[in-house]
Amino acid sequence: EDQVTQSPEALRLQEGESSSLNCSYTVSGLRGLFWYRQDPGKGPEFLFTLYSAGEEKEKERLKATLTKKESFLHITAPKPEDSATYLCAVSSGGSYIPTFGRGTSLIVHP
Amino acid sequence: EPEVTQTPSHQVTQMGQEVILRCVPISNHLYFYWYRQILGQKVEFLVSFYNNEISEKSEIFDDQFSVERPDGSNFTLKIRSTKLEDSAMYFCASSDRDREKLFFGSGTQLSVL
Repeated sequence: EDQVTQSPEALRLQEGESSSLNCSYTVSGLRGLFWYRQDPGKGPEFLFTLYSAGEEKEKERLKATLTKKESFLHITAPKPEDSATYLCAVSSGGSYIPTFGRGTSLIVHP
Repeated sequence: EPEVTQTPSHQVTQMGQEVILRCVPISNHLYFYWYRQILGQKVEFLVSFYNNEISEKSEIFDDQFSVERPDGSNFTLKIRSTKLEDSAMYFCASSDRDREKLFFGSGTQLSVL
């Protein structure tokens, strides 16, 4: 069974204070690793897909990286509007279905 | 920008009652999904639907659950006899040929009393 563990559970940053969120995973044959953003009361919003170790994707202040055991979501100079829960998910084997972790709740203070 | 629409946003029901949650996926999408999120817990997969049939389902999706695409636009989740533990936020999602990029709706908050 696929397992996704995210840390920390919660993170508070000051505006401009860069940091990283971690997602460690255990799967039988990674198909893809995904990052989503979820705002309170909303559904997850797709951010990135990573397929192989060494791959990186960037979008505005976010950069996602992937190794054989974990992924990091780096947030550079965050702004209050980056406050959200960030979800990591994996798909494996013959399935395209993402299995989600519990997420990291990020609060960025002005 | 196209979006997945879910109705109602909130549903309150009595234990043992049937509920139908409704979704309008993005119009040119081919794959449809239901997930749920119990308060404080992770987003859990229930079922995926393609070409008018279930393609995958989880252990959660037992005989009490069913899905249907009654016409070209709607996608529904029915719970036949609700239980207290069915209380959760239910998310509908859809994807096009890029099956791994899911677009989620804003959810239906189901409360079973």
